[in-house]
Amino acid sequence: QVQLQESGPGLVKPSQTLSLTCTVSGASINSGGYYWSWIRQPAGKGLEWIGRMYTSGSTNYNPSLRSRVTILVDTSENQFSLKLSSVTAADTAVYYCARVWRGDYGETYFDYWGQGTLVTVSS
Amino acid sequence: DIQMTQSPSSLSASVGDRVTITCRASQSISGYLNWYQQKPGKAPKLLIYAAYRLQGGVPSRFSGSGSGTDFTLTISSLQPEDFAIYYCQQSHSTPWTFGQGTKVEIK
Repeated sequence: QVQLQESGPGLVKPSQTLSLTCTVSGASINSGGYYWSWIRQPAGKGLEWIGRMYTSGSTNYNPSLRSRVTILVDTSENQFSLKLSSVTAADTAVYYCARVWRGDYGETYFDYWGQGTLVTVSS
Repeated sequence: DIQMTQSPSSLSASVGDRVTITCRASQSISGYLNWYQQKPGKAPKLLIYAAYRLQGGVPSRFSGSGSGTDFTLTISSLQPEDFAIYYCQQSHSTPWTFGQGTKVEIK
């Protein structure tokens, strides 16, 4: 059973860097065929894709956040992480990590999600 | 970015009703369209991928159709556990984008 679990501070001050870790169990981040991704959801609002990484370390980010986002992998711990710099109140949201299935015909979808973690940006 | 627009934004329905939610993309996304269900305080759950393929374990009352720019999620007979918010998501090109959601409420 694949499980993902987000962890990190629930409160971050404005202008600082938000840092979250996603720990994966039941699957190896090293195994091919998947992307690993972050998505966020402000309270009462919709879902926003933040970015994705592949096992090789290659990444793609949402252009709306690209200048502030970094996704890194730690294969020894079977974890990947999110760093979002220069945060403001607009970055307050529930942050989800997710596995992305990469199909043989180019189809991709989020098949496993973490439970989500609320990060509040406030002084 | 590809914009995804769902309609309606919300609907009220009774148990046993047939429910249809539509999703329109701002440009052709072929069949690269997924549907998710989200309940309060929970992560989204994959229902349908590649427009019409049912994810394992998802009841057969859920079905998807469409290609290009217009897609539909249908629940053939609404059950009490189906009251939730439904999102479409395009995986044709990054940045991957979601629709704004459709809230299915009890009538």
